[in-house]
Amino acid sequence: QVQLRESGPGLVKPSQTLSLTCTVSGGSISSGGYYWTWFRQHPGMGLEWIANTYYSGVTYDNLSLKSRMTTSIDASKNQLSLTLTSVTAADTAVYYCARWGGQQSSFDCWGQGTLVTVSS
Amino acid sequence: DIVMTQSPLSLPVTPGEPASISCRSSQSLLHSNGNTYLEWFLQKPGQSPQLLIYMASNRASGVPDRFSGSGSGTDFTLKISRVEAEDVGIYFCMQTLQTPLTFGGGTKVEIK
Repeated sequence: QVQLRESGPGLVKPSQTLSLTCTVSGGSISSGGYYWTWFRQHPGMGLEWIANTYYSGVTYDNLSLKSRMTTSIDASKNQLSLTLTSVTAADTAVYYCARWGGQQSSFDCWGQGTLVTVSS
Repeated sequence: DIVMTQSPLSLPVTPGEPASISCRSSQSLLHSNGNTYLEWFLQKPGQSPQLLIYMASNRASGVPDRFSGSGSGTDFTLKISRVEAEDVGIYFCMQTLQTPLTFGGGTKVEIK
């Protein structure tokens, strides 16, 4: 059974760079057939899609974050990563990674989420 | 961007009774391949979202059959035939037809 686990710094200062990692276990991130996705959820709010990444490097990004965001896959570590530069308080959120199987299975597997607080 | 609108915002329910949540999209979610790209999720308190329904009407693996999804085009419904106490949480609809993927604002289901 595939499991996802996000990890990150917890607290980031304004204007700094946020780096998050999603580690996949129980399956290979490069097995094909899935996009690996980042979402975030601001405190008490709904969900926001950030980006989809395929193991080949193909990425679809939320244009509202594209200028500050980089996603990548390290197949050797079975990890998905997200980097967000010049963070502000508006980036405070729980960040989730998820697996997207498209029309076959949708977002059937999610990590537990990691809270990132942007504060000085 | 496709705008997703859910109603109601809050839904008090009685265990054993049915419940229904509506989701409307600003444009049709029907793809040329015949699939409708609408998903339903439940986020229980303190947990990550869990998939209930995909492609508008397909129940995800392990989801009880009291949950069903219906609708087409721009109007969709999630129904719970008999609500159980464990069904409390926030229900979201989401469109996956095109990026940016977008969510409805959520419906909070709570027991009366």
